Amino acid sequence: DAGITQSPRHKVTETGTPVTLRCHQTENHRYMYWYRQDPGHGLRLIHYSYGVKDTDKGEVSDGYSVSRSKTEDFLLTLESATSSQTSVYFCAISDPARTGRNTEAFFGQGTRLTVV
Amino acid sequence: AQSVTQPDIHITVSEGASLELRCNYSYGATPYLFWYVQSPGQGLQLLLKYFSGDTLVQGIKGFEAEFKRSQSSFNLRKPSVHWSDAAEYFCAVGADTGTASKLTFGTGTRLQVTL
Repeated sequence: DAGITQSPRHKVTETGTPVTLRCHQTENHRYMYWYRQDPGHGLRLIHYSYGVKDTDKGEVSDGYSVSRSKTEDFLLTLESATSSQTSVYFCAISDPARTGRNTEAFFGQGTRLTVV
Repeated sequence: AQSVTQPDIHITVSEGASLELRCNYSYGATPYLFWYVQSPGQGLQLLLKYFSGDTLVQGIKGFEAEFKRSQSSFNLRKPSVHWSDAAEYFCAVGADTGTASKLTFGTGTRLQVTL
C-alpha cells in the first residue's frame, strides 16, 4: 500500500459537533484528495489540494472545509456534523511528476464516521 | 460533465466461472479509465488502468479490461474467478488535466463468488 495513513479509522460523534479527519502521507505526492463513499453513490470528491495551502472544491464540498499546512498532511473538517455526513471517508494522493501518469491515484484505508 | 455507469449492482458467479463486469462512461475527450477493487473494510486497490494505446489492458490478479470507444465501455473480465475475488469493484474515469487526478466513480458492482 502507498504510505497513506488516515486517522481516526472509526469515529462516532454527535450532531452539531466539529470533527476533523486527518490524512498523512509519506510519499511526498503533490496532490491530495478527500472522497466520501456512500451506498448507491460510489465515491464522490469533496475537496482536493494541489500544494501546501492550495485547495479547491470537489463535487460535494458543502459542509466541509480542508487545510494543508504541510505537504504530508491534509485535514478534512466538518464544522458542524450532520447525520447526512455519516459516511466512509477516503483520502487519496497522486503526483504525475512521480508516477509518470496524470491521473493515477492511491487510496488510504478509510475513516468510518457516524453522526448520531 | 463526466459520468460512469455500472449497471450491475450485484453479481454472483461460481468459482471457476468467467466474469465480466460492465462499465459505461460519458466523457467529452479521451478518457483515462480505471478499475479499482475494494475488499470489505479496506481501501481501494487499483486493478488496471487505460490511458492510451492497446485497448486490451492487463491488470493484477488475472484481470483484464477492454476499452471500446464506439460503445463508451470499459468492461472488466476474468476467465476464471477465485473465491478471493469476492469484493466490490469500481470503475472510474479521470480527466487529463495534467494536474489533479479528479476521478468520477461508478456506483460499484458487488461480486459474490459461490463455491
